[in-house]
Amino acid sequence: AQSVSQHNHHVILSEAASLELGCNYSYGGTVNLFWYVQYPGQHLQLLLKYFSGDPLVKGIKGFEAEFIKSKFSFNLRKPSVQWSDTAEYFCAVNKGGSTLGRLYFGRGTQLTVWP
Amino acid sequence: DAGVIQSPRHEVTEMGQEVTLRCKPISGHDYLFWYRQTMMRGLELLIYFNNNVPIDDSGMPEDRFSAKMPNASFSTLKIQPSEPRDSAVYFCASSRQQGVHGYTFGSGTRLTVV
Repeated sequence: AQSVSQHNHHVILSEAASLELGCNYSYGGTVNLFWYVQYPGQHLQLLLKYFSGDPLVKGIKGFEAEFIKSKFSFNLRKPSVQWSDTAEYFCAVNKGGSTLGRLYFGRGTQLTVWP
Repeated sequence: DAGVIQSPRHEVTEMGQEVTLRCKPISGHDYLFWYRQTMMRGLELLIYFNNNVPIDDSGMPEDRFSAKMPNASFSTLKIQPSEPRDSAVYFCASSRQQGVHGYTFGSGTRLTVV
């Protein structure tokens, strides 16, 4: 079945460690890609998005993501995490066609950063 | 822009009671989505509307759930009768331009059915 896969359910890091969260999707054709963040007790907020052009996208708070079309991947990275990055991170895909307008979300990755 | 506005923020109700959740999308957004989030199942799409018309309600768990969008600025999600397993956070989101810019989510309604 077509889907959005986030490989890690829970990632635990110490402050200043580097972060990479995996996201793969299985839709063909043109897609728009997103990462959302949900801080504890809050709603989902857009972290960054990719439509076209440079496959390396920079978002807020030092996050970036790289779109690798051949691998159907859109991994999220941050060179040095902070305690305040503790949150759940969701990858999402807009795949157009008959479902234009709808985002397909992954199951989310919980990131815990220890001070 | 006030963003997507949901009410109430918290709702505690007894099993069997009717619950109505409300959402006001961002003005100019033509898509509206209702999601449910639980620890067990994560984020689930319940239903979405385009220009006030329901497009896909296949995520609505049972006939006890219904959603309406009588106009471009208001939507409701109703559960009747409510059950303890309906306890969750319900998010509304809206978007424009066919979602290519992503969604804007509301702050959610935390529903507890006792």
